[in-house]
Parts: sequence; C-alpha cells; structure tokens
Amino acid sequence: RKEVEQDPGPFNVPEGATVAFNCTYSNSASQSFFWYRQDCRKEPKLLMSVYSSGNEDGRFTAQLNRASQYISLLIRDSKLSDSATYLCVVNPSGGNNNDMRFGAGTRLTVKP
Amino acid sequence: NAGVTQTPKFQVLKTGQSMTLQCAQDMNHNSMYWYRQDPGMGLRLIYYSASEGTTDKGEVPNGYNVSRLNKREFSLRLESAAPSQTSVYFCAFRAGTNTEAFFGQGTRLTVV
Repeated sequence: RKEVEQDPGPFNVPEGATVAFNCTYSNSASQSFFWYRQDCRKEPKLLMSVYSSGNEDGRFTAQLNRASQYISLLIRDSKLSDSATYLCVVNPSGGNNNDMRFGAGTRLTVKP
Repeated sequence: NAGVTQTPKFQVLKTGQSMTLQCAQDMNHNSMYWYRQDPGMGLRLIYYSASEGTTDKGEVPNGYNVSRLNKREFSLRLESAAPSQTSVYFCAFRAGTNTEAFFGQGTRLTVV
C-alpha cells in the first residue's frame, strides 16, 4: 500500500461545479498535511495547509479526518483556471520527520 | 521564482555520462530536498538535507549523490546516468516541518 494515495482522476467538470478530492495516508502518526497545486510542466505550489479543525480559503475548503486517515479538498464554483493537478502532501512522524510524502496527484479539468 | 534557482532546465545525457544539478535558495532556510517526478508516481524523495553539512537518504537514493556545502546550495549528482533516471527533478526547501515548501522550476532529464 502506498503511503499517500489519491484518486488520479481525471476529473472533468463544467465551470461552476463543485468537486471534491480525497487523499488517504497510511501512517497514523502523521503530523501535518497540505494540498499543493501543480500546473502542467510547472513546479508544485502550496494551495493550502490542512488543519485539524478544517480550514477554508475562498472557494477552497480542506478537512482532515484523523480517525479514518484521510484529508479532503473541496472546490466550489469551479473556474477554468482551477484546471491543474492537485497533490496531497503528508508529513510522516518518525526519524526523518522533516520529510514530505506526496500522493501521485489528482488531475482536474474544468470545461466551459 | 520564490528565491530558488535550479539549473539546468533541460538536459540530455548518454548512458554512463555524469552530471550535477544545482539548486540555490536565498531565503536562508535550513531544509532542502531533491525529488524526482515520474508519471503516475508522484514526487519521490531522493535526498534531503536538514542543515548545512548534513544529508539523509530518501525513498530512491540509489544512483545519486548530494552535496550541501553551505546553507544556500544543495546539489545532486548522477555519477553514471542510466535510462531509468530519465525524469523531472525538483529541488525544494522550507523553513521547518509545518511550513510551506518552495520548489525550483524543475530539470527535465533524458538519458538515452
């Protein structure tokens, strides 16, 4: 089992739709969680951190479920510019606790 | 690009050739990383450096060496390139465990 797993998609949605991605992680002692966005042939960039209480940034909402070991990202009112690959990132605990483990990414295409 | 310089952007090598990828950051952060990204695999950690003079192996270190000569620079060396090392390489850095990571623009390496 991969340490961080995501549905690769692709998710093809119309503008204005609401779309949700899930990401599961295997290490129950993982410390911190993030969503990154990666445009085609570009480097990843932080979209948002994921806090235990959940957090919202405009049209984006991230949630953490420690009991079930998953995090989610909800995008409301999708825009064409939201088309990208969304990477789930987990900080595992343990000896190398400054490591970052990435999911393979979920590809989103928003269509007119 | 968020205070990081990664070179080269593109490289084609013949099997058995060597090369060094360079990464420099001007944000005075301690932690630096080298990742490779392959289709369907996500980013996988090659090596990591918690501070100047220290390095640790990641998930896929075989065939690579790294050097952290000072706080700014973290280089990745392929001593004898193999076709399996064809990939996109990203360097990254961040201040600490729960902080945003910044990525270089990537190096597209092809080994023929």
